[in-house]
Amino acid sequence: DQQVKQNSPSLSVQEGRISILNCDYTNSMFDYFLWYKKYPAEGPTFLISISSIKDKNEDGRFTVFLNKSAKHLSLHIVPSQPGDSAVYFCAARYGNKLVFGAGTILRVKS
Amino acid sequence: DTGVSQDPRHKITKRGQNVTFRCDPISEHNRLYWYRQTLGQGPEFLTYFQNEAQLEKSRLLSDRFSAERPKGSFSTLEIQRTEQGDSAMYLCASSLHSGANVLTFGAGSRLTVL
Repeated sequence: DQQVKQNSPSLSVQEGRISILNCDYTNSMFDYFLWYKKYPAEGPTFLISISSIKDKNEDGRFTVFLNKSAKHLSLHIVPSQPGDSAVYFCAARYGNKLVFGAGTILRVKS
Repeated sequence: DTGVSQDPRHKITKRGQNVTFRCDPISEHNRLYWYRQTLGQGPEFLTYFQNEAQLEKSRLLSDRFSAERPKGSFSTLEIQRTEQGDSAMYLCASSLHSGANVLTFGAGSRLTVL
């Protein structure tokens, strides 16, 4: 039962443009949503989070948008940089644990 | 503090053998988690500790798996009688019990069962 889905396995973007990564969820009880970035041979690292009572959170080049009625969130990266190339995981908090999506591979071309 | 440390980084074993992974969390973090990640999937929750107490276990954690966190510091994850399906990356993470409960992950221990 995939409660958190990232339907795009990969995304390719030109340097300087906007990257938009999407995530859908099914459980209305999730109270926090987080994005993690993962480079090869490293563990996932935390990027940004948003509470379920908010609809937007911004941190530098990264903005997360939450649409609760659609059970959808997105991560915007502006401007995209080659160093942003990584796997991005969407995660949702339920109780004391995080439920992760399968990830989206982002490639930023220079 | 160097973050979350995991050892070994890579373990190759034959089916039926036992393996043990160790995790050293960030010292001030009171929560410790074990996740498993297979190819093309996101991390899947296995179990978590608050201090030395194991508070939740996933259905994925069969009776061949056991995790401990003696004295609320480092943790070990043991897999007995390994099977080829156990091949995966085993990720440890730690957190403070507050706010969004942001997990800090280690680099993982990759298990290959032949």
